[in-house]
Amino acid sequence: DADVTQTPRNRITKTGKRIMLECSQTKGHDRMYWYRQDPGLGLRLIYYSFDVKDINKGEISDGYSVSRQAQAKFSLSLESAIPNQTALYFCATSEISSNEQFFGPGTRLTVL
Amino acid sequence: GENVEQHPSTLSVQEGDSAVIKCTYSDSASNYFPWYKQELGKRPQLIIDIRSNVGEKKDQRIAVTLNKTAKHFSLHITETQPEDSAVYFCAAPVSGGYQKVTFGTGTKLQVIP
Repeated sequence: DADVTQTPRNRITKTGKRIMLECSQTKGHDRMYWYRQDPGLGLRLIYYSFDVKDINKGEISDGYSVSRQAQAKFSLSLESAIPNQTALYFCATSEISSNEQFFGPGTRLTVL
Repeated sequence: GENVEQHPSTLSVQEGDSAVIKCTYSDSASNYFPWYKQELGKRPQLIIDIRSNVGEKKDQRIAVTLNKTAKHFSLHITETQPEDSAVYFCAAPVSGGYQKVTFGTGTKLQVIP
């Protein structure tokens, strides 16, 4: 079945380290998103991309960067991780003709 | 930008009772309102959505109602079952578009057997 996958699924790192979270999809969707989930705060949009040459900031982009290497791949980087970036990170995709977003399984990141 | 408020943050109901979760939004141009369900340890998944040209939509035990005048929409779950226990998120479009949404803060529903 077509799916959205994320690697790694869990990561523990130290303050100041550079971290990359990767997202791949076999759904053939053009649109991809990165969210972070924190208890009591819901899902907040970090970055989104509507095609390979399109990158847009979401509501909480500070401290993050992204790369859309291909239609199927969208990576999120933390250039210098800090403890308040400890969260559950989700990648999602959607197709142009539909509004439904399909989420990956999530990456739990802990910054010590 | 869109501001979405969701209430309550937690909700406990007896199995078989109904559950109602409410969301309000700020952008009067918003025209698409999805609801996602996230089971414990799992990814969010769309369960139902509604567009602004209808006031209600049903899918078996789940329904969503929309009041555009008051700018609020609600999720109704009837005859609740233990497998309905999850966190539910509402969402509304940012800047009137469809493809980017703002999520509510979530409601943790517990159905007590």
